[in-house]
Amino acid sequence: QKEVEQNSGPLSVPEGAIASLNCTYSDRGSQSFFWYRQYSGKSPELIMSIYSNGDKEDGRFTAQLNKASQYVSLLIRDSQPSDSATYLCAVNMGESYSGGGADGLTFGKGTHLIIQP
Amino acid sequence: EPEVTQTPSHQVTQMGQEVILRCVPISNHLYFYWYRQILGQKVEFLVSFYNNEISEKSEIFDDQFSVERPDGSNFTLKIRSTKLEDSAMYFCATDRGYEQYFGPGTRLTVT
Repeated sequence: QKEVEQNSGPLSVPEGAIASLNCTYSDRGSQSFFWYRQYSGKSPELIMSIYSNGDKEDGRFTAQLNKASQYVSLLIRDSQPSDSATYLCAVNMGESYSGGGADGLTFGKGTHLIIQP
Repeated sequence: EPEVTQTPSHQVTQMGQEVILRCVPISNHLYFYWYRQILGQKVEFLVSFYNNEISEKSEIFDDQFSVERPDGSNFTLKIRSTKLEDSAMYFCATDRGYEQYFGPGTRLTVT
Protein backbone atom coordinates (compact mmCIF):
# COMPACT_ATOMS: atom_id res chain seq x y z
CA GLN A 1 0.00 0.00 0.00
CA LYS A 2 1.48 3.32 -1.07
CA GLU A 3 1.29 5.83 1.74
CA VAL A 4 2.26 9.42 2.39
CA GLU A 5 2.23 10.48 6.02
CA GLN A 6 1.97 13.96 7.44
CA ASN A 7 1.26 15.35 10.88
CA SER A 8 -2.21 16.84 10.58
CA GLY A 9 -1.49 19.65 13.05
CA PRO A 10 -2.56 22.31 13.57
CA LEU A 11 0.93 23.74 13.50
CA SER A 12 0.93 27.22 14.97
CA VAL A 13 3.84 29.54 14.09
CA PRO A 14 4.32 33.22 14.94
CA GLU A 15 4.42 35.67 12.07
CA GLY A 16 7.95 36.15 10.78
CA ALA A 17 9.18 32.79 12.07
CA ILE A 18 10.12 29.68 10.09
CA ALA A 19 7.42 27.06 9.56
CA SER A 20 8.68 23.51 9.12
CA LEU A 21 6.44 20.89 7.55
CA ASN A 22 7.35 17.23 7.25
CA CYS A 23 6.29 14.25 5.19
CA THR A 24 7.33 10.62 4.89
CA TYR A 25 6.48 8.20 2.11
CA SER A 26 6.41 4.45 1.81
CA ASP A 27 7.63 3.70 -1.71
CA ARG A 28 11.43 3.79 -1.85
CA GLY A 29 11.35 3.94 -5.65
CA SER A 30 9.44 7.24 -5.75
CA GLN A 31 11.00 9.86 -8.00
CA SER A 32 8.94 13.04 -7.82
CA PHE A 33 7.80 14.99 -4.80
CA PHE A 34 5.52 17.98 -4.51
CA TRP A 35 4.16 20.42 -2.00
CA TYR A 36 0.74 21.89 -2.56
CA ARG A 37 -1.03 24.58 -0.59
CA GLN A 38 -4.78 24.32 -0.15
CA TYR A 39 -6.94 27.05 1.27
CA SER A 40 -10.28 26.00 2.72
CA GLY A 41 -12.76 25.23 -0.04
CA LYS A 42 -10.18 25.73 -2.79
CA SER A 43 -8.16 23.44 -5.02
CA PRO A 44 -4.56 22.41 -4.34
CA GLU A 45 -2.03 24.94 -5.60
CA LEU A 46 1.45 23.71 -6.50
CA ILE A 47 4.16 25.60 -4.63
CA MET A 48 7.25 23.38 -4.86
CA SER A 49 8.51 20.33 -6.66
CA ILE A 50 11.71 18.42 -5.89
CA TYR A 51 13.28 15.43 -7.58
CA SER A 52 16.84 15.14 -6.24
CA ASN A 53 18.26 14.74 -2.77
CA GLY A 54 19.11 17.99 -1.06
CA ASP A 55 17.52 21.40 -0.87
CA LYS A 56 15.62 23.43 -3.43
CA GLU A 57 14.83 27.06 -2.72
CA ASP A 58 12.18 29.26 -4.30
CA GLY A 59 11.64 32.60 -2.64
CA ARG A 60 10.57 32.04 0.96
CA PHE A 61 10.10 28.33 0.38
CA THR A 62 12.70 25.58 0.66
CA ALA A 63 11.95 21.96 -0.08
CA GLN A 64 14.26 19.29 1.29
CA LEU A 65 14.45 15.69 0.09
CA ASN A 66 16.18 12.71 1.65
CA LYS A 67 15.41 9.60 -0.37
CA ALA A 68 17.41 7.31 1.93
CA SER A 69 15.17 8.31 4.83
CA GLN A 70 12.09 8.61 2.58
CA TYR A 71 11.52 12.06 3.95
CA VAL A 72 10.46 15.36 2.39
CA SER A 73 10.13 18.66 4.16
CA LEU A 74 9.05 22.21 3.41
CA LEU A 75 10.39 25.26 5.16
CA ILE A 76 8.60 28.58 4.95
CA ARG A 77 10.72 31.54 6.00
CA ASP A 78 9.34 34.85 7.23
CA SER A 79 5.89 33.29 7.66
CA GLN A 80 2.97 35.54 6.83
CA PRO A 81 -0.68 35.26 7.92
CA SER A 82 -1.51 34.58 4.26
CA ASP A 83 0.54 31.39 4.53
CA SER A 84 -2.13 29.98 6.83
CA ALA A 85 -3.49 27.00 4.91
CA THR A 86 -3.27 23.23 4.67
CA TYR A 87 -0.05 22.01 3.10
CA LEU A 88 -0.27 18.78 1.15
CA CYS A 89 2.67 16.54 0.43
CA ALA A 90 2.27 14.55 -2.78
CA VAL A 91 4.45 11.82 -4.20
CA ASN A 92 4.57 10.25 -7.63
CA MET A 93 4.89 6.57 -6.87
CA GLY A 94 4.27 5.43 -10.39
CA GLU A 95 6.71 3.89 -12.80
CA SER A 96 6.45 6.46 -15.56
CA TYR A 97 9.23 9.00 -15.34
CA SER A 98 9.25 11.03 -18.50
CA GLY A 99 7.03 13.85 -19.62
CA GLY A 100 4.67 13.48 -16.69
CA GLY A 101 3.88 9.89 -17.56
CA ALA A 102 0.25 10.10 -16.46
CA ASP A 103 0.96 8.70 -13.00
CA GLY A 104 -1.46 9.67 -10.30
CA LEU A 105 -0.09 11.41 -7.26
CA THR A 106 -0.46 9.97 -3.77
CA PHE A 107 -1.29 12.68 -1.27
CA GLY A 108 -0.87 12.93 2.45
CA LYS A 109 -3.73 14.19 4.59
CA GLY A 110 -2.05 17.56 4.90
CA THR A 111 -0.76 19.72 7.71
CA HIS A 112 -2.92 22.62 8.82
CA LEU A 113 -0.63 25.61 9.33
CA ILE A 114 -1.69 28.66 11.31
CA ILE A 115 0.46 31.79 11.25
CA GLN A 116 -0.27 33.91 14.29
CA PRO A 117 -0.03 37.70 13.71
CA GLU B 1 -3.87 31.65 -14.54
CA PRO B 2 -5.34 28.16 -14.18
CA GLU B 3 -4.33 25.47 -16.61
CA VAL B 4 -7.85 24.08 -16.66
CA THR B 5 -11.36 25.23 -15.90
CA GLN B 6 -14.13 23.03 -14.59
CA THR B 7 -17.90 23.11 -14.87
CA PRO B 8 -20.15 23.19 -13.05
CA SER B 9 -18.67 24.65 -9.89
CA HIS B 10 -21.41 22.96 -7.83
CA GLN B 11 -23.66 20.08 -8.80
CA VAL B 12 -26.49 18.76 -6.69
CA THR B 13 -28.01 15.46 -7.71
CA GLN B 14 -30.23 12.79 -6.29
CA MET B 15 -28.94 9.38 -5.41
CA GLY B 16 -29.08 7.05 -8.40
CA GLN B 17 -28.78 9.80 -10.98
CA GLU B 18 -25.96 10.17 -13.47
CA VAL B 19 -23.70 13.22 -13.44
CA ILE B 20 -21.13 14.50 -15.89
CA LEU B 21 -18.34 16.74 -14.69
CA ARG B 22 -16.41 18.73 -17.26
CA CYS B 23 -12.85 19.93 -17.52
CA VAL B 24 -11.59 22.29 -20.19
CA PRO B 25 -7.85 22.83 -20.68
CA ILE B 26 -6.63 26.35 -21.31
CA SER B 27 -4.00 25.15 -23.75
CA ASN B 28 -2.94 21.90 -25.32
CA HIS B 29 -2.15 19.21 -22.82
CA LEU B 30 -1.56 15.55 -23.31
CA TYR B 31 -2.28 14.19 -19.86
CA PHE B 32 -5.39 14.67 -17.77
CA TYR B 33 -6.20 13.49 -14.32
CA TRP B 34 -9.23 13.29 -12.07
CA TYR B 35 -8.96 13.41 -8.31
CA ARG B 36 -11.57 13.62 -5.60
CA GLN B 37 -11.51 14.94 -2.07
CA ILE B 38 -14.21 13.96 0.37
CA LEU B 39 -14.79 16.69 2.93
CA GLY B 40 -12.09 16.60 5.59
CA GLN B 41 -10.15 13.85 3.87
CA LYS B 42 -7.14 13.62 1.62
CA VAL B 43 -7.01 14.15 -2.12
CA GLU B 44 -7.38 10.79 -3.87
CA PHE B 45 -6.32 9.89 -7.39
CA LEU B 46 -9.07 8.45 -9.59
CA VAL B 47 -7.79 8.15 -13.14
CA SER B 48 -5.32 9.49 -15.67
CA PHE B 49 -5.99 9.86 -19.36
CA TYR B 50 -3.56 10.13 -22.23
CA ASN B 51 -4.07 10.13 -25.96
CA ASN B 52 -7.77 9.34 -25.57
CA GLU B 53 -7.14 6.32 -23.39
CA ILE B 54 -7.07 5.60 -19.70
CA SER B 55 -3.45 5.40 -18.64
CA GLU B 56 -3.85 4.53 -14.97
CA LYS B 57 -6.74 4.14 -12.59
CA SER B 58 -7.10 3.63 -8.87
CA GLU B 59 -9.20 1.14 -6.97
CA ILE B 60 -11.79 3.86 -6.48
CA PHE B 61 -12.35 4.14 -10.23
CA ASP B 62 -14.76 1.25 -10.64
CA ASP B 63 -17.45 0.55 -13.24
CA GLN B 64 -19.49 3.41 -11.85
CA PHE B 65 -17.02 5.86 -13.34
CA SER B 66 -16.00 6.61 -16.91
CA VAL B 67 -13.93 9.26 -18.63
CA GLU B 68 -13.81 10.51 -22.17
CA ARG B 69 -12.74 13.37 -24.34
CA PRO B 70 -15.81 13.70 -26.54
CA ASP B 71 -14.77 16.59 -28.76
CA GLY B 72 -11.00 16.75 -28.49
CA SER B 73 -11.05 19.59 -25.97
CA ASN B 74 -13.43 18.93 -23.08
CA PHE B 75 -12.51 16.10 -20.75
CA THR B 76 -15.38 14.57 -18.82
CA LEU B 77 -15.88 12.37 -15.80
CA LYS B 78 -19.17 10.51 -15.72
CA ILE B 79 -20.53 8.98 -12.55
CA ARG B 80 -23.39 6.56 -13.14
CA SER B 81 -25.97 5.90 -10.46
CA THR B 82 -24.51 8.25 -7.85
CA LYS B 83 -24.34 7.24 -4.21
CA LEU B 84 -24.33 9.39 -1.11
CA GLU B 85 -20.64 8.61 -0.60
CA ASP B 86 -19.82 10.14 -3.98
CA SER B 87 -20.35 13.56 -2.43
CA ALA B 88 -16.97 15.25 -2.70
CA MET B 89 -14.90 17.84 -4.51
CA TYR B 90 -13.77 16.54 -7.87
CA PHE B 91 -10.63 18.07 -9.32
CA CYS B 92 -9.36 17.87 -12.84
CA ALA B 93 -5.63 18.30 -13.31
CA THR B 94 -3.23 18.50 -16.16
CA ASP B 95 0.51 18.56 -16.25
CA ARG B 96 3.48 20.47 -17.49
CA GLY B 97 6.36 18.05 -17.38
CA TYR B 98 6.26 16.28 -14.05
CA GLU B 99 4.12 18.88 -12.30
CA GLN B 100 0.35 18.61 -12.06
CA TYR B 101 -1.88 21.67 -11.90
CA PHE B 102 -5.36 21.47 -10.53
CA GLY B 103 -8.53 23.10 -11.73
CA PRO B 104 -10.86 24.90 -9.32
CA GLY B 105 -12.97 21.79 -8.78
CA THR B 106 -16.60 20.77 -8.88
CA ARG B 107 -18.41 20.26 -5.62
CA LEU B 108 -20.75 17.29 -6.05
CA THR B 109 -23.53 16.89 -3.51
CA VAL B 110 -25.59 13.71 -3.67
CA THR B 111 -28.85 13.83 -1.73
